[in-house]
Amino acid sequence: QQQVKQSPQSLIVQKGGISIINCAYENTAFDYFPWYQQFPGKGPALLIAIRPDVSEKKEGRFTISFNKSAKQFSLHIMDSQPGDSATYFCAASTRSNTGKLIFGQGTTLQVKP
Amino acid sequence: KAGVTQTPRYLIKTRGQQVTLSCSPISGHRSVSWYQQTPGQGLQFLFEYFSETQRNKGNFPGRFSGRQFSNSRSEMNVSTLELGDSALYLCASASGEHSLTDTQYFGPGTRLTVL
Repeated sequence: QQQVKQSPQSLIVQKGGISIINCAYENTAFDYFPWYQQFPGKGPALLIAIRPDVSEKKEGRFTISFNKSAKQFSLHIMDSQPGDSATYFCAASTRSNTGKLIFGQGTTLQVKP
Repeated sequence: KAGVTQTPRYLIKTRGQQVTLSCSPISGHRSVSWYQQTPGQGLQFLFEYFSETQRNKGNFPGRFSGRQFSNSRSEMNVSTLELGDSALYLCASASGEHSLTDTQYFGPGTRLTVL
């Protein structure tokens, strides 16, 4: 019940296209859903996060869509750029355990010029 | 504000040895969490320390332990190293106040190789 399932495992997108990464969870106690971006040799960096009281959050080219009833959330990267090529992780935690993030398996995104 | 720092960045050990990794959180943060990242298992939560107390623990054997000092700096220790302990060990800091805006910020990690 602690799992977060992420798909696809890898994604290739043309420059200017839309990248979409999906995550699903089972634990209904989760109430914080961040996305992290990781470049080779670096630690994960927070990209954007959402709480279940909203269905969508947008920051620049990055949008999180959240479907509470389906227990799914997704990351959309609009106008994808080669510099977006990285590994993306979705994660989840509960308010009482904000120090414990449960991560998805990660998606390696390659944006072709 | 300085970010999360981890030392050393790279470490090579042999089976059976023990290792200690260090993490300095962002100034003012009282929560430090540790994660293990491997290609096969992804990012897995090890434990969290808050105000010098372990507040949460993942599903790792007792060979993995940690502690936190009064200045919030944290150390993680792995005893009797096994080949499977080879991984990137990441430290993350947060305010730890369970607030709506609490966010974990990661350090660059320590790459541990066990031979």
